[in-house]
Amino acid sequence: GESVGLHLPTLSVQEGDNSIINCAYSNSASDYFIWYKQESGKGPQFIIDIRSNMDKRQGQRVTVLLNKTVKHLSLQIAATQPGDSAVYFCAENEGTALIFGKGTTLSVSS
Amino acid sequence: KAGVTQTPRYLIKTRGQQVTLSCSPISGHRSVSWYQQTPGQGLQFLFEYFSETQRNKGNFPGRFSGRQFSNSRSEMNVSTLELGDSALYLCASSAGVGYGYTFGSGTRLTVV
Repeated sequence: GESVGLHLPTLSVQEGDNSIINCAYSNSASDYFIWYKQESGKGPQFIIDIRSNMDKRQGQRVTVLLNKTVKHLSLQIAATQPGDSAVYFCAENEGTALIFGKGTTLSVSS
Repeated sequence: KAGVTQTPRYLIKTRGQQVTLSCSPISGHRSVSWYQQTPGQGLQFLFEYFSETQRNKGNFPGRFSGRQFSNSRSEMNVSTLELGDSALYLCASSAGVGYGYTFGSGTRLTVV
C-alpha cells in the first residue's frame, strides 16, 4: 500500500490498497490524540483516538500508531474503499482545545 | 441520540455587520467548543465553554465572543465583520476532556 514518511497534502491510492497517513504533532505534553475524517460540506467526523499511555490502537479497518519519541502519529486504513475519500486531520489536545494538523486529502480510485 | 446541531447552515453578511451562530450539543455534553476553518489557516480553536464558563480561548481578536446557556446550548458572536471572517464555523461538544469531540456540520459564513 501507499505510505508517506512526511506529511503530504494529498495521497492517491487504488481501491483495496492499504493507506498510511502521517502527522507530526508539536506538544510533547499532549496526552490525547484524535483522527478525524472530513467530507465535503460536512464537519469533521471522529475516526479513532489514542491516549499517550498507548502506542497502538485498532478500530474497524483503521489503526492509529503513536510514537512519542519523535512526536509522530499515523493512521492506517486497511483495504481502502472509495467511500474513504476525504480529508483526514490529526488533532492533539492542548488543555480543552484541539490543535489540528494541516490535513491530508485521500483520493481512492476504483 | 441526536448529534451536534448548528444553525443556520449558511449565512451571508456585509462588512461591518455582526452575526450570531448557534450550537446545540449532544444531550448530556456540557463542554462546547468553537472552531474556525479556512483554506489558508485550517482548523483553528476559538473558545471552549463548560457549565456556562469560558475555560479556554484561542488567539482571536475580541470581536469574537461566545456564551453558553444553562442547557449547554452555545452561541458565538462576531462583531464588525471583516472579509477575512468568511469561513466555516464549527461547533464541537464533549462529555469532558479526553472523551472525544463530536462536531456539527458547521455554519458557512460569507462576508461581502
